[in-house]
Amino acid sequence: DVQMVQSGAEVKKPGEPLKISCKISGDSFTNYWIGWARQLPGKGLEWMGMIYPGNSDTRYRPSFEGQVTISADTSTKTAYLQWTSLKASDTAIYFCARPGGYSYGFPLDKWGQGTLVTVSS
Amino acid sequence: EIVMTQSPVNLSVSPGERVTISCRASQPIGGNLAWYQQKPGQAPRFLLSGSSKRGTGVPDRFSVSGFGTEFSLTISSLQSEDVAVYFCQQFNNLMYTFGQGTKLEI
Repeated sequence: DVQMVQSGAEVKKPGEPLKISCKISGDSFTNYWIGWARQLPGKGLEWMGMIYPGNSDTRYRPSFEGQVTISADTSTKTAYLQWTSLKASDTAIYFCARPGGYSYGFPLDKWGQGTLVTVSS
Repeated sequence: EIVMTQSPVNLSVSPGERVTISCRASQPIGGNLAWYQQKPGQAPRFLLSGSSKRGTGVPDRFSVSGFGTEFSLTISSLQSEDVAVYFCQQFNNLMYTFGQGTKLEI
């Protein structure tokens, strides 16, 4: 069975860098898009962007372009979401998720458990 | 960007009642729509898609309908474990977008 396990909660100060991870087990890593969603406290879900590890094709929602970097390591079957300089407004839960087919045109049927990122001085 | 609009935002229903949540897309998306359930402190869980693909272990009381721009999720007989927030999501293009969510209470 496919498992998506995310790294643990983080508490950071504004301006600090951060990289969170999502490790896949039990299935192919390179044949599926994998992406990240943000959930602000008490709010809905925003899709941030996604990567196709097979060729590193990466797409960002315009509002997140330049604000975060999505990457993937095929040797460890791990996807990453990183910031170079965090802001208080980045405080949220971040979920990795994967569509259930070999393209983006499928529902997100696999999710990580979420990583809480708290940015506070 | 395709905007997804759900209604209602909040819904309070008695056990055993039928529940319908609506989702409207700002442009046609065919059947490329999914519904998710999120309980407090948990990740979203895939329920159903517009093509009637069903998530693992999703009870038969959940069903979907719609195509194009108008969609709905129906729970035929509400159970206490169905208390959650429900989101619709379009996957018609790479820039997925979600509805704002419907909070379902008993």
